[in-house]
Amino acid sequence: EPEVTQTPSHQVTQMGQEVILRCVPISNHLYFYWYRQILGQKVEFLVSFYNNEISEKSEIFDDQFSVERPDGSNFTLKIRSTKLEDSAMYFCASSEEDRGWQPQHFGDGTRLSIL
Amino acid sequence: DQQVKQNSPSLSVQEGRISILNCDYTNSMFDYFLWYKKYPAEGPTFLISISSIKDKNEDGRFTVFLNKSAKHLSLHIVPSQPGDSAVYFCAARGNEKLTFGTGTRLTIIP
Repeated sequence: EPEVTQTPSHQVTQMGQEVILRCVPISNHLYFYWYRQILGQKVEFLVSFYNNEISEKSEIFDDQFSVERPDGSNFTLKIRSTKLEDSAMYFCASSEEDRGWQPQHFGDGTRLSIL
Repeated sequence: DQQVKQNSPSLSVQEGRISILNCDYTNSMFDYFLWYKKYPAEGPTFLISISSIKDKNEDGRFTVFLNKSAKHLSLHIVPSQPGDSAVYFCAARGNEKLTFGTGTRLTIIP
């Protein structure tokens, strides 16, 4: 069964450094998402992306965050200057939704640790 | 943000019996509700969903019930199997994004 893949599985970065998290969504999916889960808290929506632009973002997704689909397969989340509070599991998701609503399918996540 | 709540952090059920997981929500604008299952070190895996215009959806051992007047949904798993032991998240869709509950850890006792 097709799946969303994320790399790396664990990223350790010094505070203030830039980090890029990578995702390969399911190939025929058109909508892409990033979520995060801080340890002990809920999974929170960050951003949705469709047709090469952001379609919705949360208040968490400030100017330090950006997303990009640099080619036909990858979808990336960049954090420009990381803070301690950015430490979390980051999940990428994708959905089909070209013929009505379809559920979002998630990758296994990248654990981001900011030192 | 308390729009989606799962009030039971954990639940233990004997193998073969029915597992019932509950979820409450506050936002009437949600159009779909979903259940995800999550194992440690993995991402959420989609299980089953229900449209806000339905009151029941069934897929094999899994059935989701929606009570719109009470703003409540539940997931029934019958019969429960040891492989069902995981954390179950309720999620609600509004404006493309999903709003998640805090999860319920289900343990199936052999």
